[in-house]
Amino acid sequence: KAGVTQTPRYLIKTRGQQVTLSCSPISGHRSVSWYQQTPGQGLQFLFEYFSETQRNKGNFPGRFSGRQFSNSRSEMNVSTLELGDSALYLCASRRNSQGGDSGIQYFGAGTRLSVL
Amino acid sequence: AQTVTQSQPEMSVQEAETVTLSCTYDTSENNYYLFWYKQPPSRQMILVIRQEAYKQQNATENRFSVNFQKAAKSFSLKISDSQLGDTAMYFCAFMKLSGANSKLTFGKGITLSVRP
Repeated sequence: KAGVTQTPRYLIKTRGQQVTLSCSPISGHRSVSWYQQTPGQGLQFLFEYFSETQRNKGNFPGRFSGRQFSNSRSEMNVSTLELGDSALYLCASRRNSQGGDSGIQYFGAGTRLSVL
Repeated sequence: AQTVTQSQPEMSVQEAETVTLSCTYDTSENNYYLFWYKQPPSRQMILVIRQEAYKQQNATENRFSVNFQKAAKSFSLKISDSQLGDTAMYFCAFMKLSGANSKLTFGKGITLSVRP
């Protein structure tokens, strides 16, 4: 069974540009969450999507947005990039039903975004 | 709001020895999950162990075990027979037990080095 796939692995952008990151969850997983990891702030929750609907949102500005498609794949978008947006962006998927792995989120390898 | 505290930023252990990583958390919830995740230099976040708060028995996974003290809101990870491959950053994380929530709240992490 394939794991969580994030593309691209690395991105370099300049201030003011926008960027789109992609996440394909494990087959059968309908919940996708996004996290930002920086040395200063650690791991912070961005948002979660389930059945194409955002059902949780972290404390990030409106420049950060996302969506989920009918096949559960998710994208996140950051507009008007700032230097402080440089981070590792992690995506995680979860089954969202009863079972042995209930509650467990499985992470992708992340997208490293550098804003110059 | 939930908080997770990992007060030790770094630890070092000799190969084959045992090490314990500490974590405390604060919540008003009664039903929740606690996790330890490992992030090696590859940056892939890997689940080490999961504890369901309603279970009194401490979770174990091979060389990894936890000491879960619900009243004290403490959740430590013990690694027995440490191996060089255990060198990584370890994160303690909290998640409310709810089908409609997948938000993980992470601690700042601890860097564990296993010495040969």
